[in-house]
Amino acid sequence: GESVGLHLPTLSVQEGDNSIINCAYSNSASDYFIWYKQESGKGPQFIIDIRSNMDKRQGQRVTVLLNKTVKHLSLQIAATQPGDSAVYFCAESTNDYKLSFGAGTTVTVRA
Amino acid sequence: SAVISQKPSRDICQRGTSLTIQCQVDSQVTMMFWYRQQPGQSLTLIATANQGSEATYESGFVIDKFPISRPNLTFSTLTVSNMSPEDSSIYLCSVGVSGQFFGPGTRLTVL
Repeated sequence: GESVGLHLPTLSVQEGDNSIINCAYSNSASDYFIWYKQESGKGPQFIIDIRSNMDKRQGQRVTVLLNKTVKHLSLQIAATQPGDSAVYFCAESTNDYKLSFGAGTTVTVRA
Repeated sequence: SAVISQKPSRDICQRGTSLTIQCQVDSQVTMMFWYRQQPGQSLTLIATANQGSEATYESGFVIDKFPISRPNLTFSTLTVSNMSPEDSSIYLCSVGVSGQFFGPGTRLTVL
């Protein structure tokens, strides 16, 4: 079946640098996308979402970009901090029902 | 977003036994979702639980193995029945139109 996936399983970034986490999705009918952060021993934490009628959405230190033409989603984290070390998941849904998750990217911030 | 709690937070169980996981939300919600996250993996939807009707199970998950109750709009339970070591996972409930807000999870280890 169609699925959401991530380009890279791990990302190492220097503290203070910007991080970019990528996600490819295959369901062209997907109209809602979410990025999650999951720290060890915790449930996924909602970071930011975007609907398919938008290309970009900004939050606090985070930006999500959506390219529907190539079915690509990215999460940009500005000025990465040690507390940003976690596993990041993208998820997608169609018609606001049920989420399908990507494989996850482990982000490690180097001091 | 809603505050979601789960009980127990973790448990170690013997093969062949069953465990019931509780999910409590601080506000009334129409839909609740149950996910499984196997070690080092992403999240997989088990079923959708609506109050007043039977849960809807995803492919690969059956009611005999994962019976779900949804007695009211703030509470649900998931039972993992006749457990085997392969059931060792984190079990998560979520709420929201797309189930986008997650509880802290229940970490289950089956010996």
